[in-house]
Amino acid sequence: LAKTTQPISMDSYEGQEVNITCSHNNIATNDYITWYQQFPSQGPRFIIQGYKTKVTNEVASLFIPADRKSSTLSLPRVSLSDTAVYYCLGNTNAGKSTFGDGTTLTVKP
Amino acid sequence: DTGVSQDPRHKITKRGQNVTFRCDPISEHNRLYWYRQTLGQGPEFLTYFQNEAQLEKSRLLSDRFSAERPKGSFSTLEIQRTEQGDSAMYLCASSLPRPPDFQETQYFGPGTRLLVL
Repeated sequence: LAKTTQPISMDSYEGQEVNITCSHNNIATNDYITWYQQFPSQGPRFIIQGYKTKVTNEVASLFIPADRKSSTLSLPRVSLSDTAVYYCLGNTNAGKSTFGDGTTLTVKP
Repeated sequence: DTGVSQDPRHKITKRGQNVTFRCDPISEHNRLYWYRQTLGQGPEFLTYFQNEAQLEKSRLLSDRFSAERPKGSFSTLEIQRTEQGDSAMYLCASSLPRPPDFQETQYFGPGTRLLVL
């Protein structure tokens, strides 16, 4: 499974766009990249998933360059409620996912 | 779609007691996962089922831990002779791998927080 590396923490202000980058240098050909959001005392919540190029949904965008060794989660116009831990992981169709320690995003007023 | 549910949400027990947690996955999902999460860490994989078959177990899952999914629907995770180090959030997730490449998205429940005194 792909080992991922993310910044431990990031700060932002309300209304700004936030980009969180994840490195996954040993990602396998059949690995997808998935991002989760987790609030305290809750289970992780699926945000977005992609394989290559760009994926966008109502919550976020995910940018994956051609070499797939990194990915960037983009959160447009964050609010205080986006303060959470964000996990990036590479997962295959083989089952378990390996979470790192995530990025703690703090959005300030 | 009611999502993944877990019961109980909180459990306090004394060291040496046995505890059992239940997970109800999203109804059509055939895969079910158990993770453990301690404060400040990401979730750690424990085990997973495809239908009723337990396909993989982590080395974290000592002999005191056992999981079942008897009819391929809900699952239980039992911890025998609990230790203080078992205190954690226990998370359940489910998924339905989809063709053509059977990539999957895991959907998590709210977790069961265990405190062993």
